[in-house]
Amino acid sequence: GQQVQQSPASLVLQEGENAELQCNFSTSLNSMQWFYQRPGGSLVSLFYNPSGTKHSGRLTSTTVIKERRSSLHISSSQTTDSGTYLCALEGASGSWQLIFGSGTQLTVMP
Amino acid sequence: EAAVTQSPRNKVAVTGGKVTLSCNQTNNHNNMYWYRQDTGHGLRLIHYSYGAGSTEKGDIPDGYKASRPSQENFSLILELATPSQTSVYFCASGGTGGSSYEQYFGPGTRLTVL
Repeated sequence: GQQVQQSPASLVLQEGENAELQCNFSTSLNSMQWFYQRPGGSLVSLFYNPSGTKHSGRLTSTTVIKERRSSLHISSSQTTDSGTYLCALEGASGSWQLIFGSGTQLTVMP
Repeated sequence: EAAVTQSPRNKVAVTGGKVTLSCNQTNNHNNMYWYRQDTGHGLRLIHYSYGAGSTEKGDIPDGYKASRPSQENFSLILELATPSQTSVYFCASGGTGGSSYEQYFGPGTRLTVL
């Protein structure tokens, strides 16, 4: 089965609302990375977070290894946050390969 | 700041032609990767490399070759391009230990095979 599952697949917010994006994985991991991608754009690394909680501006990433999940919290959303958010894990096999989730498409309305 | 560049950014090729996509990184990372991204399939790993002279097969290597002549450069080669290889291709580089295995992506190459 799919090793990395993201939810929700899509999300529409009003500007100012908060968002919680989830990533669940079925394999043990070495690392977890969150990316942001605009339509037609490249992947921008938001967080490299193998465990625990990290903050960057309005973004917070939390990875709980024992529960095999990682989340990305966006507070006070802005229209410029619209795009696709991807999580990717590097499995514990040590091959340094990323396994990507299918992404959450976020739309923030003004 | 990590820097990965790709060329060309856009390419139109004919079926049966040879296509070479190039990637350069200035991060001094050992590992480099080639992915393709397609609607409905997400990002899939084609080839990767652990260092100069090494290439490894990823999840979907058929129809592709890779070359890593130096630490900085990693190429993806389509010897006989087919329309099914129309896609957006991303190169990435990544660290190999210490405190981070983080991967950094290039801007992408949009390839259309007619």
